[in-house]
Amino acid sequence: GAVVSQHPSRVICKSGTSVKIECRSLDFQATTMFWYRQFPKQSLMLMATSNEGSKATYEQGVEKDKFLINHASLTLSTLTVTSAHPEDSSFYICSARGAGRAGEQYFGPGTRLTVT
Amino acid sequence: LAKTTQPISMDSYEGQEVNITCSHNNIATNDYITWYQQFPSQGPRFIIQGYKTKVTNEVASLFIPADRKSSTLSLPRVSLSDTAVYYCLVGYPNDYKLSFGAGTTVTVRA
Repeated sequence: GAVVSQHPSRVICKSGTSVKIECRSLDFQATTMFWYRQFPKQSLMLMATSNEGSKATYEQGVEKDKFLINHASLTLSTLTVTSAHPEDSSFYICSARGAGRAGEQYFGPGTRLTVT
Repeated sequence: LAKTTQPISMDSYEGQEVNITCSHNNIATNDYITWYQQFPSQGPRFIIQGYKTKVTNEVASLFIPADRKSSTLSLPRVSLSDTAVYYCLVGYPNDYKLSFGAGTTVTVRA
């Protein structure tokens, strides 16, 4: 149980275009999901907290107009990278907090974004 | 969120026990200690969580001394497939946000 999926797993896009990444909790409801970004050989950096039915909360330094987050249902959150640039190329990972263990989060497999 | 300090890397050989110690001197009373494992180009995977003393599951053991200012993740008889980055996180259960430190890169050799 407690599976989180992401789609797509890899995406290549041209500079200036927008890319949408989906995060789904497959067998549980997640009122809160999180989006992380990870550059090569670095740790995960929290970008934003996505709450179902309300606006996302962004971490300091993350542009909310560039990284649009929508949490339309209890099982789906989307991250849209708008007007992508090569520096946005990264590994994007979502997670959802389960109702079980304290503080435990279930992570998706990640999406590799390459902007050319 | 309590700050954590872990070794940057550790090397081991197949069949050995690997112990990774994490320091968290400013852990709060309600904080739990959680360990995650991450393989390259994959999302982190929950390994184990504890509050005090010792916790054991089918994958690892977590040792937490009485003062809770540190914790040790123990991986028994590692194999090549245990090569990964291991993250120690400390936080209050209702504080949803996780703050990942640098993690420990464990390399298991044949």
